Amino acid sequence: EAQVTQNPRYLITVTGKKLTVTCSQNMNHEYMSWYRQDPGLGLRQIYYSMNVEVTDKGDVPEGYKVSRKEKRNFPLILESPSPNQTSLYFCASSNQGVGEKLFFGSGTQLSVL
Amino acid sequence: GEDVEQSLFLSVREGDSSVINCTYTDSSSTYLYWYKQEPGAGLQLLTYIFSNMDMKQDQRLTVLLNKKDKHLSLRIADTQTGDSAIYFCAESSMYSGGGADGLTFGKGTHLIIQP
Repeated sequence: EAQVTQNPRYLITVTGKKLTVTCSQNMNHEYMSWYRQDPGLGLRQIYYSMNVEVTDKGDVPEGYKVSRKEKRNFPLILESPSPNQTSLYFCASSNQGVGEKLFFGSGTQLSVL
Repeated sequence: GEDVEQSLFLSVREGDSSVINCTYTDSSSTYLYWYKQEPGAGLQLLTYIFSNMDMKQDQRLTVLLNKKDKHLSLRIADTQTGDSAIYFCAESSMYSGGGADGLTFGKGTHLIIQP
């Protein structure tokens, strides 16, 4: 089954404790992206990757890191989480090209205390 | 930069039609999309329309595009409780390559179904 898998689904942590949210897709997609969703603000793009070893900042990259060492995986790293990073996070992937459909993971609800 | 605007809430009675509206600012928009987010889930592509089309129909869904006014709407006929979700309008432009990397999302419209 074609899917984007994120883990964990829920995460509660404390300020400053490094964490990684994993994302994996099984569709051989070149493009992968991370979004955060906050009430009243909709979806905002954090980072995206056009292919292996190619990453770029989205609209709200501060406080986040990503890596794309393999095509299928695109982890999101919070080196020193802060309470303003409490949010619902989504990973997404697609083929390259005009009009391509984005496939989303089920989301990771992160709470930073 | 590009902007996509939607109202935050829409309440309709079960069995009525729902019309969710969206306006966008980028006149070079290539594709316009509607994504649906059910509670506790990620977004799923519902339908899309290419910018040279005025209308697209798919079963209970009708998408209307007024390119002159930069207005997109999604009509859901015979709205059911399973249609309760957040609906996101999104656009991609030729300047961003028209691909997923250039997608701009609206903030989403919560569709509330009254029995």
